[in-house]
This record gives sequence, C-alpha cells and structure tokens, in this order.
Amino acid sequence: DAKTTQPTSMDCAEGRAANLPCNHSTISGNEYVYWYRQIHSQGPQYIIHGLKNNETNEMASLIITEDRKSSTLILPHATLRDTAVYYCIVRVNFGNEKLTFGTGTRLTIIP
Amino acid sequence: SQTIHQWPATLVQPVGSPLSLECTVEGTSNPNLYWYRQAAGRGLQLLFYSVGIGQISSEVPQNLSASRPQDWQFILSSKKLLLSDSGFYLCAWTPGQLNQPQHFGDGTRLSIL
Repeated sequence: DAKTTQPTSMDCAEGRAANLPCNHSTISGNEYVYWYRQIHSQGPQYIIHGLKNNETNEMASLIITEDRKSSTLILPHATLRDTAVYYCIVRVNFGNEKLTFGTGTRLTIIP
Repeated sequence: SQTIHQWPATLVQPVGSPLSLECTVEGTSNPNLYWYRQAAGRGLQLLFYSVGIGQISSEVPQNLSASRPQDWQFILSSKKLLLSDSGFYLCAWTPGQLNQPQHFGDGTRLSIL
C-alpha cells in the first residue's frame, strides 16, 4: 500500500470549514483514498472514501486532485465534536484489505 | 444493521498472566475480521486478520495469537503477557466484498503491571 503524508496538527475555528490535506504521491491506479477519524479513547470512525472523483456524504467531502497524488478532506461546518485525529489511508481493494494507519492529523476545533 | 462488540473496555493484568479479548460481529455473515493495536501516541498496527473460520494471518511476530472459532467471533490471546503488550486493542470488520470500509469496535485498553 502507498504511504501518505499529513500535517501533524491543525486548528480550525468552530463553524468554519476544516480542510485537511493529504499527500499520496506514490498512489497506484487501483488504490482508493480512505479517511477515518479517531476521537480520544474510541475506535476509528470511517468518514469517506474515493478513487478519483470527488465524493460527498453527510459527514464530509473528499476532493482528489486530477493526478491523484493528493487529496483534501473537508468538514464544511466544524463543531467541537469534530476534534479528533484524522487518518488518510490509501489501500488496494483486493486481497486481505488491510489498512495501514499512520500518525494522522490532530485537528482541534477552537470555540 | 451490523454491530461489532468488544470486551472488556479496560483491563489491567500482571506481567506473565494470560489474556483473552473477544470480538463479535452481528448482522452480517462471512465478514473479514481484524485485530489492531495502538500504542500511546502512535498509529494503528495490524496484528491479525481473518477471512473465514479457522483462517488467521499474522502480520507481525509477537507474543500474541488469534483464533476464529465461529464466523462471527474473533479472539485475541496470549499465554504470558509482557509489559510491551500494553496498548489499545481494536477489532474491526468489513464485508467480504471489495471496496468496503472497515468498521471498528470501541476497543480494549490493556495495561500491564
């Protein structure tokens, strides 16, 4: 699985959009981009995933660049409950389907 | 709907004691099951995964073992715990189909004294 690079930490004001970047310059054509988050002392929560098209669900939007070497997770109206560590993962969708988590981005929402 | 259960939520064990953590999944059949460990301040490390009853793959050599006696049950065990086994243990599942996200349980925080 390709590796990802994320900023260690970010702050965002409550009510504003939180934009979390992720670089995955070695991503291969059959790898998807997945985003999870982990609130302290809880299990990771799935947010969204995509291959090459932008995706949106009730939680967030995922913007993937045309060359697929980077992506951005957007939380449109951040709340205090969005404070968490956010993980960007790329993975192949066949075989054992394991996930490889890095250290992620610690997002803090400021009141 | 599908649900995943892990227990206990927290556990304190002495060095050298045995361990058994259980994970069960309801509402789905033939799931892929995973055990991860997260050390303090670090990312998740995959320990074991299983694609079916009795089928276990180990990702890293360690003091732990896993078993899947039932389709819906995944057990993490140790005969003698080490201090380095402390951590946050997470079970996850995914449908057997491709391109499906993994869903995690609430985890077990294990402290070895």
